[in-house]
Amino acid sequence: EAGVVQSPRYKIIEKKQPVAFWCNPISGHNTLYWYRQNLGQGPELLIRYENEEAVDDSQLPKDRFSAERLKGVDSTLKIQPAELGDSAVYLCASSLVGTGGNSPLHFGNGTRLTVT
Amino acid sequence: AQSVTQLDSHVSVSEGTPVLLRCNYSSSYSPSLFWYVQHPNKGLQLLLKYTSAATLVKGINGFEAEFKKSETSFHLTKPSAHMSDAAEYFCVVSDYNNNDMRFGAGTRLTVKP
Repeated sequence: EAGVVQSPRYKIIEKKQPVAFWCNPISGHNTLYWYRQNLGQGPELLIRYENEEAVDDSQLPKDRFSAERLKGVDSTLKIQPAELGDSAVYLCASSLVGTGGNSPLHFGNGTRLTVT
Repeated sequence: AQSVTQLDSHVSVSEGTPVLLRCNYSSSYSPSLFWYVQHPNKGLQLLLKYTSAATLVKGINGFEAEFKKSETSFHLTKPSAHMSDAAEYFCVVSDYNNNDMRFGAGTRLTVKP
């Protein structure tokens, strides 16, 4: 099966500019996650979707970050305006979840964002 | 909310010696627990998972982990380290009744020749 696809792979922007990341999950996976991973740290959840509904966005900085998952498939994560502290790797993951938290995550390769 | 603590930020072993990466968890419900590995500039790969079946879980590449409820631990072990095991390892927990996956800070494993 095709894995989780993210683009772009790398992005360099100047502060105050907007940026968008795109994720295509594994076909049929109903749950999609966006994580941010700072250098030397573990991934931190930004937002979790079940189908097209954002069920957990408590960690998403809503003043500058937004996300959408149209039709419950692809998802985009946007930052506007970007700040220096947003430099990180943005990871998308998907899983097929029925009941309970048993399903492992399948990750894309991430987008490495550098804000100058 | 659930959380994990990886007790060592860096572990260094010699090739051919045992590996022990420690993870303690906190969960209000029966947890699901996972170990992921991340090689440099690569994506996160699932090593193994515990989902309330056998407490000793075998994963890929010779790794295994034991769920110990009394100690709230899920340590990752391997009998004999290989150079290719050098990577970052993450312990992950989710409560059984939700899909909220929480990562530990990671343990960097170095394998010396």
